[in-house]
Amino acid sequence: GAVVSQHPSRVICKSGTSVKIECRSLDFQATTMFWYRQFPKKSLMLMATSNEGSKATYEQGVEKDKFLINHASLTLSTLTVTSAHPEDSSFYICSAIRGGGEKLFFGSGTQLSVL
Amino acid sequence: DQQVKQNSPSLSVQEGRISILNCDYTNSMFDYFLWYKKYPAEGPTFLISISSIKDKNEDGRFTVFLNKSAKHLSLHIVPSQPGDSAVYFCAASNTGNQFYFGTGTSLTVIP
Repeated sequence: GAVVSQHPSRVICKSGTSVKIECRSLDFQATTMFWYRQFPKKSLMLMATSNEGSKATYEQGVEKDKFLINHASLTLSTLTVTSAHPEDSSFYICSAIRGGGEKLFFGSGTQLSVL
Repeated sequence: DQQVKQNSPSLSVQEGRISILNCDYTNSMFDYFLWYKKYPAEGPTFLISISSIKDKNEDGRFTVFLNKSAKHLSLHIVPSQPGDSAVYFCAASNTGNQFYFGTGTSLTVIP
């Protein structure tokens, strides 16, 4: 089955630093990847849609300058949380669509804790 | 505006009994529906899906029912097992370009 690898699984950083999260599709080419954020006891909130070779499409209310998304290849998308603050602490999850498919394949998530 | 809703945040069921998780949606253009299961600190995993041209899809202990006129789908798990305890998200898609998730239902199966 399709596998999406997300790294790191957990990161603790100081306020003001930047954190990069990687999302890789291991056995398929992902033309579209999505980045979600999950708050405790709430739904997965779509942050942005990332298409290979083009700029990401951000959902309303998501700061594009704070959450930088790069989808440089068909197997890799990165999310960089710039100048992280404690309120950015959350569980971030990526997902990918295999070309022509209708299912999302999810990464295992990254727990970000900003001190 | 929440286009996919799961009105029950939690559900407890005895082991061996049936678990029924419900999901409502508002957009009649949705043509594909999915259920995902999520354990704490892990990404969701795909469970089962159904196309809008069907009203039922079954996979082992899991069955999804779709009522298009009511814009309602449900996931039945029978018999329920303690390992089924997780948060279940329903999701809807139109042409696979955008996925909308419900807020999740936390299922606890009591041994």
